[in-house]
Amino acid sequence: DIQMTQSPSSLSASVGDRVTITCRASQTISNYLNWYQQKSGKAPKVLIYAASTLQSGVPSRFSGSGSGTDFTLTISSLQPEDFATYYCQQSHSTPDTFGQGTKLEIK
Amino acid sequence: QVQLVESGGGVVQPGRSLRLSCAASGFTFSTYGMHWVRQAPGKGLEWVAVISYDGSNKYYGDSVKGRFTISRDNSRDMLYLQMNSLRAEDTAVYYCAKDRTNWNYVFDYWGQGTLVTVSS
Repeated sequence: DIQMTQSPSSLSASVGDRVTITCRASQTISNYLNWYQQKSGKAPKVLIYAASTLQSGVPSRFSGSGSGTDFTLTISSLQPEDFATYYCQQSHSTPDTFGQGTKLEIK
Repeated sequence: QVQLVESGGGVVQPGRSLRLSCAASGFTFSTYGMHWVRQAPGKGLEWVAVISYDGSNKYYGDSVKGRFTISRDNSRDMLYLQMNSLRAEDTAVYYCAKDRTNWNYVFDYWGQGTLVTVSS
């Protein structure tokens, strides 16, 4: 199975900050990488798929990049509603696997 | 709008069975792959199973293979997960999720989840 490793596991930031979360795959996955946001007690929500395609309705302050094994999710200017846990997920091979999550907290 | 509503969760003893249901609406159910994804309390996300749009293809995560069965009824817009030989480690919130296409493994809509607790 492909292992997905996110860093950092947790992150404190302030409203207006630029934030980057990294996801690394244990083998190459081309651009089959997706990002989800999960708020406490709620279902996850897809933000970005195919490494860099913004899901409809997601604010443009979210962006994704990368290919092969290394990927990033960037939030250009943090808003209060962005404090949540973020997961990457590879959809290259079954079983598709998630990273362990990055909890983004208010500083 | 797309809606997915899970039901069937609860407390069950180890070794027993439970069937989860997911009622879909707001889209043409019969043209999309569907998934089950679970989340143990305080833990991350784990993909459980997928079924193709017509039910002809199914795949499972290693931790549930041979114990869980995914199925669908396209005439009723329903997705199911039959869970047998339940273990304590199956305790989780179970989400049904819609695939963005048929077999894309991008989950673009999720239900609210149903909690399964396996305990004696």
